Amino acid sequence: GAGVSQSPSNKVTEKGKDVELRCDPISGHTALYWYRQSLGQGLEFLIYFQGNSAPDKSGLPSDRFSAERTGGSVSTLTIQRTQQEDSAVYLCASIDGGRGTGELFFGEGSRLTVL
Amino acid sequence: AQSVSQHNHHVILSEAASLELGCNYSYGGTVNLFWYVQYPGQHLQLLLKYFSGDPLVKGIKGFEAEFIKSKFSFNLRKPSVQWSDTAEYFCAVNAVTGRRALTFGSGTRLQVQP
Repeated sequence: GAGVSQSPSNKVTEKGKDVELRCDPISGHTALYWYRQSLGQGLEFLIYFQGNSAPDKSGLPSDRFSAERTGGSVSTLTIQRTQQEDSAVYLCASIDGGRGTGELFFGEGSRLTVL
Repeated sequence: AQSVSQHNHHVILSEAASLELGCNYSYGGTVNLFWYVQYPGQHLQLLLKYFSGDPLVKGIKGFEAEFIKSKFSFNLRKPSVQWSDTAEYFCAVNAVTGRRALTFGSGTRLQVQP
């Protein structure tokens, strides 16, 4: 498709389990963001990939969170040993590297519920 | 690092009322500024943006925003809101150089009553 695709759309897991969330950005977009959206908390920046540069990981809340972007395209956000406070909607967005319109294109999000 | 403050967390207006949502950022360098909107059940989408030039920018659906550099502000305005404007509005900023990750404010929930 033409937009940013995220999977799964919904994930329910038990505390302590690991989860992987996938993002397939718009073809040709060189930059990719992960955000977390919690009720009443707005959008919390997690990590930013720009081309072949080292990712900006400054928003990752703990070492249980990690992300990678393979081949400059698909990205996976991994949360190890999930906790209840990890419950949120995880949003992925891509952009054409800051040139052009500068507009972020968001996916529908992956809603994570940790029981 | 940059940060963004949105002072209005929840705004309730009647149709045809005028709207102004506040946004202030903290960063000493040159920035790009954005307003994104999230309608109920939909994903975030760009409402308008400022990169340079005329500090008064116009976006979709009759929205506009004014960049006031001296006040580090980028307030969103609309002269007459409609019920369909009910949504959550997010201000965002990124630095032109240096750390370029886009930072969002906490959002303002706008409820327009018919």
